[in-house]
Amino acid sequence: KQEVTQIPAALSVPEGENLVLNCSFTDSAIYNLQWFRQDPGKGLTSLLLIQSSQREQTSGRLNASLDKSSGRSTLYIAASQPGDSATYLCAVRGNTGFQKLVFGTGTRLLVSP
Amino acid sequence: NAGVTQTPKFRILKIGQSMTLQCTQDMNHNYMYWYRQDPGMGLKLIYYSVGAGITDKGEVPNGYNVSRSTTEDFPLRLELAAPSQTSVYFCASSFDKGTYGYTFGSGTRLTVV
Repeated sequence: KQEVTQIPAALSVPEGENLVLNCSFTDSAIYNLQWFRQDPGKGLTSLLLIQSSQREQTSGRLNASLDKSSGRSTLYIAASQPGDSATYLCAVRGNTGFQKLVFGTGTRLLVSP
Repeated sequence: NAGVTQTPKFRILKIGQSMTLQCTQDMNHNYMYWYRQDPGMGLKLIYYSVGAGITDKGEVPNGYNVSRSTTEDFPLRLELAAPSQTSVYFCASSFDKGTYGYTFGSGTRLTVV
């Protein structure tokens, strides 16, 4: 059974810092890994999608890496801003059965001005 | 470009009442999913569908039912609501090709009192 873990559970940083969020998964039989952002009381916004054959994806100040063999992914946020404050969720899509998406419990990020 | 639309956004139910959460998507995705999100927990899969007329149980299906009569719609039915069903419910959809990511609706916040 796939299990996804995110560390740390919460993170507080001053504005301008570069930061790394971690995600680990137990089963490397995946199609892809997706990072989402969730603002309080809101839905999930997809940030980056990395295919199992890829090593990284970039979008603006965000860079996500994937090491499938070790079951790890990182989300790097450069020059953090108060507007980056949100919960970040990592999810992996399996490549067996109906390929369900399995979520971690998220990292709650607070960026202070 | 509506994506995945969920209604209602908020609802308060009394114990024992029933209701249907609506979900529709306009992306011609054949896979659709219902998740629930409880505070401090990751998203848990309730039911999923791989196409019109085909549905199956996820991790936490008890107390819920679904139907999929069209590609676009995937309603979730709560029968005899219980306080344990107080949660935020998210509908999502995707193509069946594993290389695609999921698209989520904005969620329905349900309180059972």
